[in-house]
Amino acid sequence: DQQVKQNSPSLSVQEGRISILNCDYTNSMFDYFLWYKKYPAEGPTFLISISSIKDKNEDGRFTVFLNKSAKHLSLHIVPSQPGDSAVYFCAARYNFNKFYFGSGTKLNVKP
Amino acid sequence: DVKVTQSSRYLVKRTGEKVFLECVQDMDHENMFWYRQDPGLGLRLIYFSYDVKMKEKGDIPEGYSVSREKKERFSLILESASTNQTSMYLCASSLSSTSRRTDTQYFGPGTRLTVL
Repeated sequence: DQQVKQNSPSLSVQEGRISILNCDYTNSMFDYFLWYKKYPAEGPTFLISISSIKDKNEDGRFTVFLNKSAKHLSLHIVPSQPGDSAVYFCAARYNFNKFYFGSGTKLNVKP
Repeated sequence: DVKVTQSSRYLVKRTGEKVFLECVQDMDHENMFWYRQDPGLGLRLIYFSYDVKMKEKGDIPEGYSVSREKKERFSLILESASTNQTSMYLCASSLSSTSRRTDTQYFGPGTRLTVL
C-alpha cells in the first residue's frame, strides 16, 4: 500500500499561470517532505523541501505548503514556464534515511 | 557538481541470468541508494548503504542483493533475473549518514532493464 500518493498523473497549464501539484500521505511519522523534478532520460533532481515543523517554504517561483492535519502537501509554481514541463515526484522521509515517493505528476506548461 | 553515473542506460537480459547494475558517485558521499521506478508506483527503495560494506534492506529487497566494496561504488545484483524485474533502476547518493538533517539525494540517469 502506497504511503505517498499523487492522484493526478498529469496536469496541463498555460504559461504564466499557476501550477498546483498535490500529494497526500498516510504516515504521521514522516518528518521531512521533498519535491523532485524529472526530465526524460535524466534522473530526478531535488527542487524544494519542507520540514514537518513548518507549513510553508518558498524558493523563487516555487512554494511548498504542508497541511499536517490533512496529511497533504502541495507545490505551487508561479508563474509557470514551458521549461517547467517535467514529471514531479513528492517524497517523504521516515526514520532518517528511508524515503517514500509518490507515483509522479506529469506537468505540461503550454506556451 | 555531484555526478552519479550508472553503467548502462539500457540493458536486455534473459530470464535466469545474473545481472549487475553498477553505480558510481564522485563526491565522497556516504549514503547510496537503489530504487526501481514503475508506472503508477513511483520510486521504491530496494536497498541502501550508509557506509562501505554496510547495507540495509529497503521496501522491496526480494530477488536483489547489493555490494559496496568501495565508498564511491554501489552495485545492485539480480541473482536470477525474472520478467517482473523489468523496470527502470535509479541509483542515488547523499552526503552524510551522521547528521539527522536531510541531505539532498542526487540521482543517476537510470538504467532501463528488460528481462525477456
